Parts: sequence; C-alpha cells; structure tokens
Amino acid sequence: GQNIDQPTEMTATEGAIVQINCTYQTSGFNGLFWYQQHAGEAPTFLSYNVLDGLEEKGRFSSFLSRSKGYSYLLLKELQMKDSASYLCAAVDSNYQLIWGAGTKLIIKP
Amino acid sequence: EAQVTQNPRYLITVTGKKLTVTCSQNMNHEYMSWYRQDPGLGLRQIYYSMNVEVTDKGDVPEGYKVSRKEKRNFPLILESPSPNQTSLYFCASSPPARDFSYNEQFFGPGTRLTVL
Repeated sequence: GQNIDQPTEMTATEGAIVQINCTYQTSGFNGLFWYQQHAGEAPTFLSYNVLDGLEEKGRFSSFLSRSKGYSYLLLKELQMKDSASYLCAAVDSNYQLIWGAGTKLIIKP
Repeated sequence: EAQVTQNPRYLITVTGKKLTVTCSQNMNHEYMSWYRQDPGLGLRQIYYSMNVEVTDKGDVPEGYKVSRKEKRNFPLILESPSPNQTSLYFCASSPPARDFSYNEQFFGPGTRLTVL
C-alpha cells in the first residue's frame, strides 16, 4: 500500500534549526510537496521537489532522495510564527496526493 | 484576488439533516478536491473532480456526494449526516492533474462541521 511517515511532534528553540523528516512508499512517484498549516487554518504551499537534492527558499529548504524514498524540510533561524504543523505529501503515478498525518512543530522561546 | 471560498465556515447540525457545503474557486482550475481532516489522521480525500461533470471517489467517500456542474463550483453534500462526520473540511483546487508536478493545490479556509 501507499504510506507516508513523519514524526507526530517536534520541539525546537527560537533561533535554532530543525529538520522534519518524511519517508514515503507510493505506487510511482511524481514529486513531493511540503505544506505548512497553522492550527485551524488551511494548508499553504512551502515547497515541491521532484529531483534529488536540496532546494532552498529563504529560511526554508527541502531535500529529496528518490532512491531512499526520503525527504526532509529544514527550517533555519526559527521564529515563534513557525509554530505550526508541517504536512508532507507525495504525488503517485496517477498524480494523486498521498498525505502524511503532519508534524506539529512547537517553538519555545 | 485568486482564492478558494467555502461556506459555511462553521456549522452545527443534527443527525440526519441534509446539508451542503459550497466551494468556489476563481482561478479557472480544472481540478478540485474535498478533504476532511481529523486529529492524528491528516488530510483524507473524500472526492475529487478532474473537470466539469467528472468526479471520482477518494479514500473516504462513504456518506458524501459531490457534483461538478460548473468549473468554478464543487459542492459537498451530506444527505444524512452522522456524528462520525464531525470534522474539519477543506476544499482545494489546482491546475490539471497532469501538470501536478508544477502546481500546488490551493485550499479554502475550511469548514468546521459538528453533527450532534
């Protein structure tokens, strides 16, 4: 079956760096998305990777290894407003999104 | 402003009373989708639509209906709601699935439904 795994919750300190991991098993693969979701709000797009490697966007970077079925989201210089859930979603061979349950990130001062 | 709108945002209803949650997008997107989100379970797809008059079941379609008579609208219908349909519902749209690789989904603000 198709499956996405990511940690349920992580805690980090303001100003620090945190890495949120995601592993996936899908029927075919057409890329991986990361979304941010603040409590009670809609998910918003952060990044998309389809090729191996690291993509950097300001304080946020996303990495993909297709051979390992693995991705991570790296958040640098953490701010209190980064407290949110981070959702990993892989695109399968039918171009359907397979969603992880999300990682709740708690930022402490 | 490009957006996906949903109505109502909050709804409390009783078991068995038919309801409709509307979803509309102004981006001319072909693909639209409904999700429900429950604690610890992440986003689960209910139904999706690749284009007008084309709809397909997602992972959890039981107890729901949809229609896609126009490109911009994709209402979610609960014919006889039950308490296990209490959830946070999101509508989303995107350009065609064949272009999914390059385009993210845009989500509506969510509808929090409580069925008593």
